Parts: sequence; C-alpha cells; structure tokens
Amino acid sequence: GDSVTQMEGPVTLSEEAFLTINCTYTATGYPSLFWYVQYPGEGLQLLLKATKADDKGSNKGFEATYRKETTSFHLEKGSVQVSDSAVYFCALPDSWGKLQFGAGTQVVVTP
Amino acid sequence: NAGVTQTPKFRILKIGQSMTLQCAQDMNHNYMYWYRQDPGMGLKLIYYSVGAGITDKGEVPNGYNVSRSTTEDFPLRLELAAPSQTSVYFCASSYSSGRQGSQETQYFGPGTRLLVL
Repeated sequence: GDSVTQMEGPVTLSEEAFLTINCTYTATGYPSLFWYVQYPGEGLQLLLKATKADDKGSNKGFEATYRKETTSFHLEKGSVQVSDSAVYFCALPDSWGKLQFGAGTQVVVTP
Repeated sequence: NAGVTQTPKFRILKIGQSMTLQCAQDMNHNYMYWYRQDPGMGLKLIYYSVGAGITDKGEVPNGYNVSRSTTEDFPLRLELAAPSQTSVYFCASSYSSGRQGSQETQYFGPGTRLLVL
C-alpha cells in the first residue's frame, strides 16, 4: 500500500543553518505530495504541496521538489529561524483521499 | 470563515464515561476526517466521511463511532472511555470534485486533548 518514510528526529540546528528533512514514498500512480507543519500546541497546517512530478512547492522559505525517479519529496530551507521550531510531516493521499503521514520530524532551532 | 473548529479544547474523562468530540467546518468541504495523535507519534486515521450520510473506518476505529448528518458537522463519539484513548484528536476537512478520493489540502482543527483516568 501507499506509505511515507521520513527521517527521524529530533533535528537540532543553530539559527541560520541549512535544514533538510528527507521524505520518500511508495505509491500507485502519481498522488499529490504534502508537507504539513505542527507548531507547539497547535494543529497541523499545510506548509507546501506539489501535485505532479518535477513540481516544486514553496512557502515561508521552505522548498520541496516532487522527484518521481527517486520517489522523494525532501524538505529544505536555506536559513532556519527559531520560529521554524516545529514538527514536520510528509504526507500523501491514497486513492480514496486518506492521508498517509510520515512519523514526523521534530526540528529544534537554537539562537 | 472560521475554518475547522473543534470543541472542547481539553477534557478529562473517567474510565467508562462517554463523550462526544465536536467538529464543524464552514468551507463546504465534502470530505471530513478524524485523527488521533499520541505523544511523539504521527497521526492515525480513526474515521472519515466523503459526504453527508457516508462514513467509513480508518486505521484505528475501535472504541469510536461517528455520524455525518450534515455537510458541516462530523462528531466523534467515545462510548466507554479507556486509558488507551488518551490522546490528542484532530478533525480535518477537504474538498474533492471527483467521485473517488481527494488529492486536495486537508485543513485541520486546533485539536481536542483528552485524558482518560
């Protein structure tokens, strides 16, 4: 079945460091791919998405490219801020729209 | 638009008690979902609905029930609370124009934190 695997955390970085969170997927067909972010004490919110191969989603300085050849959707940000401290989830919908989430990666950014 | 709203924000239940977690959305979304998130874990789907009057089980439905009498509301019922149901519960909604599945963004509520003692 469809599934998502993302790197485990926590990932601890200093402010202005480069962030990469790896995400790979298995799926039948070519579903949309999502990154959701969960700030402390809040619900999930969409960070970015890509709907087809080679699409690049971007938002708030974060980027992720839908790579069909490597079945990956890695999240990157060139210079993180303390306010980026959160848990990040990679996700893809199955053919019935049910989201398959990765386990989540906690990111901690220190001043 | 208020988006997806959930009540209550926090609740403590005794073992064996019942309660209903409320969820409402004002975006005219046809799909709605209930997830639970255990500490340090990802989200697991409890139940979902593709439209009023239609519901189906997700990955972890045992101990829960749902109904969808209107497009806007999707309450989750716990009949006999157990400590294993201590978790944070998230409701979400999305829209699909197709007959099968929704590849669109899911919008999440702020969550209900439930503690069963």
